[in-house]
Amino acid sequence: DGGITQSPKYLFRKEGQNVTLSCEQNLNHDAMYWYRQDPGQGLRLIYYSQIVNDFQKGDIAEGYSVSREKKESFPLTVTSAQKNPTAFYLCASSMGQGSARSYEQYFGPGTRLTVT
Amino acid sequence: QQQVKQSPQSLIVQKGGISIINCAYENTAFDYFPWYQQFPGKGPALLIAIRPDVSEKKEGRFTISFNKSAKQFSLHIMDSQPGDSATYFCAASSNDYKLSFGAGTTVTVRA
Repeated sequence: DGGITQSPKYLFRKEGQNVTLSCEQNLNHDAMYWYRQDPGQGLRLIYYSQIVNDFQKGDIAEGYSVSREKKESFPLTVTSAQKNPTAFYLCASSMGQGSARSYEQYFGPGTRLTVT
Repeated sequence: QQQVKQSPQSLIVQKGGISIINCAYENTAFDYFPWYQQFPGKGPALLIAIRPDVSEKKEGRFTISFNKSAKQFSLHIMDSQPGDSATYFCAASSNDYKLSFGAGTTVTVRA
């Protein structure tokens, strides 16, 4: 059963704490992405990775960090430097450059992070 | 600054009616235009997508119309059903494979 898993579904943290969100895919996709969703603002790109051990900042990378040590995993750390971390976080993957379907991104179920 | 502008923010349609959502863009490098459907608490699902070399693409009850000269594209949902009630996002991408999303349209289909 192929797909993207994100855990946990809900996450609660105190202000000032770092928190890591998990994203795993078994689609054998090369590229992975992290988005943040806030009401009325659509999805905004945080970080993306086209290949293992390489990643680039998206539009709103400040206060976030990522790693890509394995093809199937792309964890996102929300650091204490992120001013408004409460949001719905979505992970996506795609086949990657060179594929006829490289533009198609498939999303996980999301993690709702609440920081108080 | 949103690169893709989407309207309306929300719409209500009767069962069997047509839902129309519009999007506009400025970046002429965009060459891939997908639409995503999202139910509350779930991740978006790819619904249908179009390239700028065609003016229309239809999949079942969903149709994308694309106007390259006007830099606009739209989603038509024909014979709308209560199960179509969701938030719809348009998006655009260039050869960097990064998607720029519209703000979303919440569609409510009344039975």
